[in-house]
Amino acid sequence: GENVEQHPSTLSVQEGDSAVIKCTYSDSASNYFPWYKQELGKRPQLIIDIRSNVGEKKDQRIAVTLNKTAKHFSLHITETQPEDSAVYFCAAPWTGNQFYFGTGTSLTVIP
Amino acid sequence: GAGVSQSPRYKVAKRGQDVALRCDPISGHVSLFWYQQALGQGPEFLTYFQNEAQLDKSGLPSDRFFAERPEGSVSTLKIQRTQKEDSAVYLCASSSRAHQPQHFGDGTRLSIL
Repeated sequence: GENVEQHPSTLSVQEGDSAVIKCTYSDSASNYFPWYKQELGKRPQLIIDIRSNVGEKKDQRIAVTLNKTAKHFSLHITETQPEDSAVYFCAAPWTGNQFYFGTGTSLTVIP
Repeated sequence: GAGVSQSPRYKVAKRGQDVALRCDPISGHVSLFWYQQALGQGPEFLTYFQNEAQLDKSGLPSDRFFAERPEGSVSTLKIQRTQKEDSAVYLCASSSRAHQPQHFGDGTRLSIL
């Protein structure tokens, strides 16, 4: 199946700094890459996604970049706030039906 | 409905019992996914439905796991003869069609004693 690797597993930043989380995938046919935020005991929530026909997408403080050649995509959070503290998961499709998730990044924003 | 609804939110069962977990997807969503999430891990794919057709069940860990979506809306994940290793959060997600944003339910936290 799809091999999705996510780094780092934990990340601590000072409030106001930027955070970057990176994922690599193995299936060159993958064409849709979502990012989810999951707070403790809650459902994963889609925060941003990108399709393979674009290289970058932004939504306020959140951006995702995609490098199809290198098969990696990254989540960028700028001007971090304490409420950004959560676990973030990337995902990539496999065979059109399955989605493989990364192992997650626990982000802590220190006030 | 407004979002994906799962029930029960918590389920405790004794080893060997059968359990049934329900998912009510967003109205009109064609695609429905079941995932298993262990503590501290990402969701792991179990199975996928397109309408009432189960197109992929390759992620189901054993033949004790069975899922259905008979009318193309509500889905049930059944686990027979539960084992301790089945303890996890079971998440359901739906999307309008393949490769569209998936919307997750709150999950069912299953504990097998």
